[in-house]
Amino acid sequence: GQNIDQPTEMTATEGAIVQINCTYQTSGFNGLFWYQQHAGEAPTFLSYNVLDGLEEKGRFSSFLSRSKGYSYLLLKELQMKDSASYLCAVREAGYALNFGKGTSLLVTP
Amino acid sequence: GAGVSQSPSNKVTEKGKDVELRCDPISGHTALYWYRQRLGQGLEFLIYFQGNSAPDKSGLPSDRFSAERTGESVSTLTIQRTQQEDSAVYLCASSNDPQETQYFGPGTRLLVL
Repeated sequence: GQNIDQPTEMTATEGAIVQINCTYQTSGFNGLFWYQQHAGEAPTFLSYNVLDGLEEKGRFSSFLSRSKGYSYLLLKELQMKDSASYLCAVREAGYALNFGKGTSLLVTP
Repeated sequence: GAGVSQSPSNKVTEKGKDVELRCDPISGHTALYWYRQRLGQGLEFLIYFQGNSAPDKSGLPSDRFSAERTGESVSTLTIQRTQQEDSAVYLCASSNDPQETQYFGPGTRLLVL
């Protein structure tokens, strides 16, 4: 079985930095993904971690610690358009992604 | 290039009716996946296709659910005798390889009355 936990909601201010945490307990591990999903739209791929450490991509960075079953997504220089749900997903083996319930981020002026 | 497309975007049906949902993957993507997203829940894996074969149907919630894929192209998810608990957004994704990133379509919002 699998258990993937992330906060339900977060609020942050435009221009600030926010960190969205994800912890997981899965029977296997073959990569962790972060997706962004605006209301009523398709999830869009943000980042992928399979080795420990930090992956940076523009304003977005993602960190993984396999020994701790922990990841975070870091969003810098927040913009209003960053208001969305952020989905953490673990691929245990093969192909299927196991998703957390998502974190709804609200960016305020 | 074109992304994953799904149709219809919205579907309202009566309990007991059958529905068919369609997915057009990104051209050339051999792997195709169906997920379900119920209100307030994370995405649930339903089924995976490699080419036109489905090596993993473990996520299908009941025998009312079935799916097929034509070659490395269109897939249809069929729900027979729909129930109210089937109401959800059904998302399709595709990838160039099972080990690569999955790209999602916009989903079909199904409401069973």
